[in-house]
Formats: sequence, structure tokens, C-alpha cells
Amino acid sequence: NAGVMQNPRHLVRRRGQEARLRCSPMKGHSHVYWYRQLPEEGLKFMVYLQKENIIDESGMPKERFSAEFPKEGPSILRIQQVVRGDSAAYFCASSQRPGQLLTYEQYFGPGTRLTVT
Amino acid sequence: DAKTTQPPSMDCAEGRAANLPCNHSTISGNEYVYWYRQIHSQGPQYIIHGLKNNETNEMASLIITEDRKSSTLILPHATLRDTAVYYCIVESGGSNYKLTFGKGTLLTVNP
Repeated sequence: NAGVMQNPRHLVRRRGQEARLRCSPMKGHSHVYWYRQLPEEGLKFMVYLQKENIIDESGMPKERFSAEFPKEGPSILRIQQVVRGDSAAYFCASSQRPGQLLTYEQYFGPGTRLTVT
Repeated sequence: DAKTTQPPSMDCAEGRAANLPCNHSTISGNEYVYWYRQIHSQGPQYIIHGLKNNETNEMASLIITEDRKSSTLILPHATLRDTAVYYCIVESGGSNYKLTFGKGTLLTVNP
């Protein structure tokens, strides 16, 4: 039973290039979350998606960042025209639908470490 | 607007119980207490959660005070691999899905 998978694990981009980060949720999970961890800081929520729907993107920077979770395939976090300040670890998490008790756990992937040079 | 307060760091001897405290004095009736940990450079790992009652699983125990204003995560027999940052998070379930990570407690388990 594979966990949450993220690739690539490490990504180096030059300023101005595009970065694409992929996340495959745990089997049976239909909810995906993206978090960002800047160096020496805590994780910050970015976006919450279900299949083909963005539920909450309140944590996403207004420009250059976008996310999708298509009907088939992994969730993609896309960063256009990267800048040095985008260097961070990006974590994806997945969960089941909230159950009867409306509680759920999020299971995290190993992260993608983006370095912008 | 942190909902929880945790000590920045703690030490524990290998094989002993690690007791990690968390204050959440403004917790509301529908909010759960979640614990996650992050071992260096890895993705956060879910540990346990609870609402009112004490909870136990294969990883840890969670003790919540009767007034729910504080809780303690207990690792009964800490090992070196338990060295990590432990996050206490208070969130309502259901539609509130954003986990708000504070600074957590760095637990160092010493040989």
C-alpha cells in the first residue's frame, strides 16, 4: 500500500524557468493538499483540491502559482517564472473523505525540494 | 494568532517516556487536537488525534485535560528515531482542512 508519492524529490531551476511538481495521493484518497516550507520556517497551507476541483487556494500566491488535480493522473503544482524566493520544500498530503465523525488525517509525501539559482 | 503553545525544545533519554505538552486554552467545542511530527527533512507524519477522551495507538498516547485547555503527547519508550519536531495542531474536522503548523517542539532523544 504505497504512500503519497512526490516527484521529483529535488528540482533545480534557474530564475525565470517553470517548475512542475507532481503528487500521487495514497490509494483510495481523493483529497490532495499542498504545503510549502520555507527554510527555517513552518509548513504553510497553499491549496486544497479534489478531483477536477480546486476547493481552496487561499494560501497560494496570487501570481505564477497554479495547481490542478485532473481526473486521471497526479496532482500538479506549477510555478511559472520562478524566483529565488520560491526555493523551499513543497509537501503534498492526501486524505480520505471526512468520515462520519468529520475527522481525518492527512498523510504527507516526502516533499520536493526546489532550488532556484 | 497561534492556537497552541509548545515548548521550543525538550530532551529525553532513550528508553524513557517522552511527555510533550501543549497548551490550547482557546480551543472550542468542535475542535480536535492533532499531533504530527517531522523528522529532519522528511514529510510530516500523523501521530494521533483526539477530541475529549484520551487516545492511544501503536505510536503514542494522547492525554487531554478535562477542560480541554491542554494536552500531553506521550511516547512511552522513546528511541533515537523519535528525534523530530512535534507539532500540536488544533483544528475542527470536516470542512476545516487546513493544518496550521506552528513552530512545534524539537524533541531530542539522547542515547
